[in-house]
Amino acid sequence: DTGVSQDPRHKITKRGQNVTFRCDPISEHNRLYWYRQTLGQGPEFLTYFQNEAQLEKSRLLSDRFSAERPKGSFSTLEIQRTEQGDSAMYLCASSHLGALKYNEQFFGPGTRLTVL
Amino acid sequence: AQSVAQPEDQVNVAEGNPLTVKCTYSVSGNPYLFWYVQYPNRGLQFLLKYITGDNLVKGSYGFEAEFNKSQTSFHLKKPSALVSDSALYFCAVRPEYSGAGSYQLTFGKGTKLSVIP
Repeated sequence: DTGVSQDPRHKITKRGQNVTFRCDPISEHNRLYWYRQTLGQGPEFLTYFQNEAQLEKSRLLSDRFSAERPKGSFSTLEIQRTEQGDSAMYLCASSHLGALKYNEQFFGPGTRLTVL
Repeated sequence: AQSVAQPEDQVNVAEGNPLTVKCTYSVSGNPYLFWYVQYPNRGLQFLLKYITGDNLVKGSYGFEAEFNKSQTSFHLKKPSALVSDSALYFCAVRPEYSGAGSYQLTFGKGTKLSVIP
């Protein structure tokens, strides 16, 4: 079991640039979640997928944010025209459909984004 | 909408002493409750969960948590703290029902635990 992996671990970008993050869930997990964590706060839900279908999006996910999970395996989160307020840790988590009812989520190490 | 409150930003405890990290929650219907731990520059690691049944739940690394429905609390406990327990602890909740908005976890702000040698 390799766990949830995320790439890159750190990203520094200039305001206005586009960035893309990747998440590889635990291989047998059907559900994939994205959260954002700012300093001194707990993670906040952004969106989740069941297989390739994006089933829910938070109001935090502005039009500049888009997430995909094209083949129901890895997922990407893209932020267009980054703003300084986008600076945060972006966490990915996955869970198994068999544990659907209990929603036990396993988290990756996160991607820390710094927008200058 | 659900919410979680962790009233203490920081908890300090001497090594070998018992520790408690407090959590209260608000959710429609019955809750599913979770504790996660986060070490510096790391993701969240699952510690334990309450779904149903016994109000005292045992988890990883000797941690346990007590569910109290009347007080809407789910405090994390450990009988004897270790220096290696020093980390950031998050309580999270989701509602029991299945459907829109139910699968996302709502987290508290976290409590920094410092175990002093």
